[in-house]
Amino acid sequence: DGGITQSPKYLFRKEGQNVTLSCEQNLNHDAMYWYRQDPGQGLRLIYYSQIVNDFQKGDIAEGYSVSREKKESFPLTVTSAQKNPTAFYLCASMGGRGQDTGELFFGEGSRLTVL
Amino acid sequence: DQQVKQNSPSLSVQEGRISILNCDYTNSMFDYFLWYKKYPAEGPTFLISISSIKDKNEDGRFTVFLNKSAKHLSLHIVPSQPGDSAVYFCAASATGSARQLTFGSGTQLTVLP
Repeated sequence: DGGITQSPKYLFRKEGQNVTLSCEQNLNHDAMYWYRQDPGQGLRLIYYSQIVNDFQKGDIAEGYSVSREKKESFPLTVTSAQKNPTAFYLCASMGGRGQDTGELFFGEGSRLTVL
Repeated sequence: DQQVKQNSPSLSVQEGRISILNCDYTNSMFDYFLWYKKYPAEGPTFLISISSIKDKNEDGRFTVFLNKSAKHLSLHIVPSQPGDSAVYFCAASATGSARQLTFGSGTQLTVLP
């Protein structure tokens, strides 16, 4: 089955530590995205990549970094510079008819809690 | 500046009745609108969409209405079922923006048995 796999599902981190969230897709989609969800704020775009070895900042990129070395993979690093990292993180991809509509396929999400 | 707004954070409806979720937008360049459904601790799943060239799209119990002059869309669910209880996000995209989605803040729908 094609889909997007995020890991880990739950992650705890001490303040000052960097943490990397994994996102892998086997949908053969070119574009991949990272969103953050906070209560009452909807989904906010952190970073996106439309092609391998290229990515752009979204609305709230500060304190985050990404890489896109392979089409299937788009890991997100939450650095110690991110002031409020506790959130639910969602990875998504776009391909096929989504390029005409904007439709995204989402992973199951990763819940990061900073202690 | 929120370009997509869902002004009702929550909505409760009796099972079997109609649920109406509303969404307003400000960017006149948006030409495609989508609704996503999200359960707790899961990723959003696509529900239904509508192009700006239409004013209505139906899929089973779900119907989306678009009023371009008012920059307003609504999602109707009828009849509502307890399994419909979830957060519903409205999203919009525009041609030429790499088709990035702009999301509303979501509406928590609770269908009471």
